[in-house]
Amino acid sequence: AQSVSQHNHHVILSEAASLELGCNYSYGGTVNLFWYVQYPGQHLQLLLKYFSGDPLVKGIKGFEAEFIKSKFSFNLRKPSVQWSDTAEYFCAADFNDYKLSFGAGTTVTVRA
Amino acid sequence: DGGITQSPKYLFRKEGQNVTLSCEQNLNHDAMYWYRQDPGQGLRLIYYSQIVNDFQKGDIAEGYSVSREKKESFPLTVTSAQKNPTAFYLCASTIRDRSSPLHFGNGTRLTVT
Repeated sequence: AQSVSQHNHHVILSEAASLELGCNYSYGGTVNLFWYVQYPGQHLQLLLKYFSGDPLVKGIKGFEAEFIKSKFSFNLRKPSVQWSDTAEYFCAADFNDYKLSFGAGTTVTVRA
Repeated sequence: DGGITQSPKYLFRKEGQNVTLSCEQNLNHDAMYWYRQDPGQGLRLIYYSQIVNDFQKGDIAEGYSVSREKKESFPLTVTSAQKNPTAFYLCASTIRDRSSPLHFGNGTRLTVT
């Protein structure tokens, strides 16, 4: 069955540390991939997306993600986090059916 | 401002009662979705609708019902048949394009006792 999995449930790090969140999907066809973020008390919003072209995509707030087709992965990265990056992060995929399947989410806590 | 409005923000019901959650959008989006968010499980799709008067079951549709009589409205009814209804419910919409992101409402937290 098609699915999205996120490896880390909770990540705790200090300001200025680098962040990488793992995301893998299971599907053999064309897939559109997204990362969403939910800041405390706010609604979900799009960080970045990949649907074709350059597999390294850049999003808002200094985030980027790399699509590696051979590994079925779409990991999210940020070189230097800030306290304001504390949030829950969701990887999502559209498996060619006009609806998004989400991973379980990763809670990121950045300590000042 | 365009957006998605979910109401109410908090909802309390007794077990055995049906309850309807409201979702309205003024973004002129064709597609609308209902997700349920539980800790450690991410978002799971309940129902979705690509056009007016049409909707499909998602991954966890049992115990829920929806209607799509108007483009801007997609109410979700949590019936008494839903075994574990206490959750955070999110409504979303998008234009009918695979690369377009979802726009989310602020959610309704339903507590059933």
